[in-house]
Amino acid sequence: RKEVEQDPGPFNVPEGATVAFNCTYSNSASQSFFWYRQDCRKEPKLLMSVYSSGNEDGRFTAQLNRASQYISLLIRDSKLSDSATYLCVVTNQAGTALIFGKGTTLSVSS
Amino acid sequence: DAGVIQSPRHEVTEMGQEVTLRCKPISGHNSLFWYRQTMMRGLELLIYFNNNVPIDDSGMPEDRFSAKMPNASFSTLKIQPSEPRDSAVYFCASSLVGGIETQYFGPGTRLLVL
Repeated sequence: RKEVEQDPGPFNVPEGATVAFNCTYSNSASQSFFWYRQDCRKEPKLLMSVYSSGNEDGRFTAQLNRASQYISLLIRDSKLSDSATYLCVVTNQAGTALIFGKGTTLSVSS
Repeated sequence: DAGVIQSPRHEVTEMGQEVTLRCKPISGHNSLFWYRQTMMRGLELLIYFNNNVPIDDSGMPEDRFSAKMPNASFSTLKIQPSEPRDSAVYFCASSLVGGIETQYFGPGTRLLVL
């Protein structure tokens, strides 16, 4: 079983749509969780951390379910500029390195 | 801040040649990570250093790969001899020890081995 699994997509949505991405992770000892964004031919960049209580940053909402080892990202009112690959990320057991999913590709069209 | 600097940005070489990738982390960061990204396998951690010391190299694919960090401001990833299956984008990232959530990536080196 892969350590972090994501639906690769692509998710093709119109502007203004709400879209949700999910991911599962295998190591119950992982302590920290993140969503990274990667634009085409660019480096990954931190989008937001994910907390057990859920957290929101503008149009983006992240949720964590530790019992199910499940992480989600919700994007409301999608913009063209949201088109990118979204990487689900967890820390290793020691908390010293990041483990990346292969990413989910989002394409927002006008 | 200049961010993480990687060189070269692109490298095309022939099978069997030695390839050296270079990285300058963000000043003050004391953790450095090397990753490889391919369509098939995604982003994989190859090795990471804390305070210039290699901590975990379990992701290094085989003995053809080696990495060094002679000082806090420079690291190299060497492939010798290179093979076509090494073709990928190689990213370097840095952070503070204990600050894994603030890991910053360089722009990457696109390697093509013919």
